[in-house]
Amino acid sequence: AQSVTQLDSHVSVSEGTPVLLRCNYSSSYSPSLFWYVQHPNKGLQLLLKYTSAATLVKGINGFEAEFKKSETSFHLTKPSAHMSDAAEYFCVVSDPNRDDKIIFGKGTRLHILP
Amino acid sequence: DGGITQSPKYLFRKEGQNVTLSCEQNLNHDAMYWYRQDPGQGLRLIYYSQIVNDFQKGDIAEGYSVSREKKESFPLTVTSAQKNPTAFYLCASTPGSGRLSYNEQFFGPGTRLTVL
Repeated sequence: AQSVTQLDSHVSVSEGTPVLLRCNYSSSYSPSLFWYVQHPNKGLQLLLKYTSAATLVKGINGFEAEFKKSETSFHLTKPSAHMSDAAEYFCVVSDPNRDDKIIFGKGTRLHILP
Repeated sequence: DGGITQSPKYLFRKEGQNVTLSCEQNLNHDAMYWYRQDPGQGLRLIYYSQIVNDFQKGDIAEGYSVSREKKESFPLTVTSAQKNPTAFYLCASTPGSGRLSYNEQFFGPGTRLTVL
């Protein structure tokens, strides 16, 4: 069955240090994978998406993610955290071979320490 | 400006009352979705619609109803049958071209419903 696991419910980093938000998925041969960001009491905004093109995907605000099929992972990274990155992040998997079902991870809350 | 609007931003309901949450989009998207968000649970799909006058149940449809009479509008009614309706509700849409799973979802700002 299709699933997505965000390995950390909370991550804290200091401003200016790297960010790593982990996501593992279970899906078919060629899933689509997304990362969304949600600021408090707001809707979700797309950061980046993978749809079987380049495995390293660059998104907005300096974020990027790498699709690793062998590890079934799609971790989100940023070289240097900014205070404005404090938000909740959702990893999403959808499978075009399974009726386009879209599955959201439970989210990772990113805290930025001054 | 193209986008999705949801109203109201905050909604309070007494137990036993039905309430309707509005979702409107001017993106000319074919597909629209309703999600419920609870702390620590991510987003759960309530209903979705890929075309006017058609909609499908999601994972947690019990106690909710929808309609899709116009392409740009997808209102959600939370009925008195929904036992725990206090939550943050998000509406989203995607373009209709190609497989839905390839497309990003565009989200509205959400409605926070509180049952008193």
